[in-house]
Amino acid sequence: GNSVTQMEGPVTLSEEAFLTINCTYTATGYPSLFWYVQYPGEGLQLLLKATKADDKGSNKGFEATYRKETTSFHLEKGSVQVSDSAVYFCALSASGAGSYQLTFGKGTKLSVIP
Amino acid sequence: KAGVTQTPRYLIKTRGQQVTLSCSPISGHRSVSWYQQTPGQGLQFLFEYFSETQRNKGNFPGRFSGRQFSNSRSEMNVSTLELGDSALYLCASSPGGPAADTQYFGPGTRLTVL
Repeated sequence: GNSVTQMEGPVTLSEEAFLTINCTYTATGYPSLFWYVQYPGEGLQLLLKATKADDKGSNKGFEATYRKETTSFHLEKGSVQVSDSAVYFCALSASGAGSYQLTFGKGTKLSVIP
Repeated sequence: KAGVTQTPRYLIKTRGQQVTLSCSPISGHRSVSWYQQTPGQGLQFLFEYFSETQRNKGNFPGRFSGRQFSNSRSEMNVSTLELGDSALYLCASSPGGPAADTQYFGPGTRLTVL
């Protein structure tokens, strides 16, 4: 079946540090890949997506590249801010009979300190 | 456009009771999916509805059910509540078409079972 593995947290960084959160996946076919972010007490917000190999998704300074050869979709940001503190989820979307179902990783909690 | 809305935001029930949660998708979205989020199991897919039909179902017992109305609003019902049903229940809607795999989440309903 489909699965997503992302690095265990929590991750604590100083403001302006470089961020990498690793994500690898197992899936049949060609899934779309996503990063979602969850702030305390809220639902999930779509951060970025990529739909095919070598696509790069980007938003708010975050980037991730769909690497089919390594089945990876690592999240990066060059300079984190305190406001980036949240839980980040890597996910893949697999289609079955026209229905799209998201499979999520366990989430990585990021804390950014001033 | 208004985002996905879920009501109520918080619920407290006792074991054995039943509960109904409501979700209104983004205007124009016809697909609604439900997910359960718990600290132990993470985010798990419950079911997906499209045009009032259940298209896909996750691995949950029959106590969990749902439906979708002609205006795309959806409800999920949990009967005979158990302590383990305490979770954040998230609803997501999808636009269909070329972006059918992209899901947008609501803020969730926090269910506590005592």
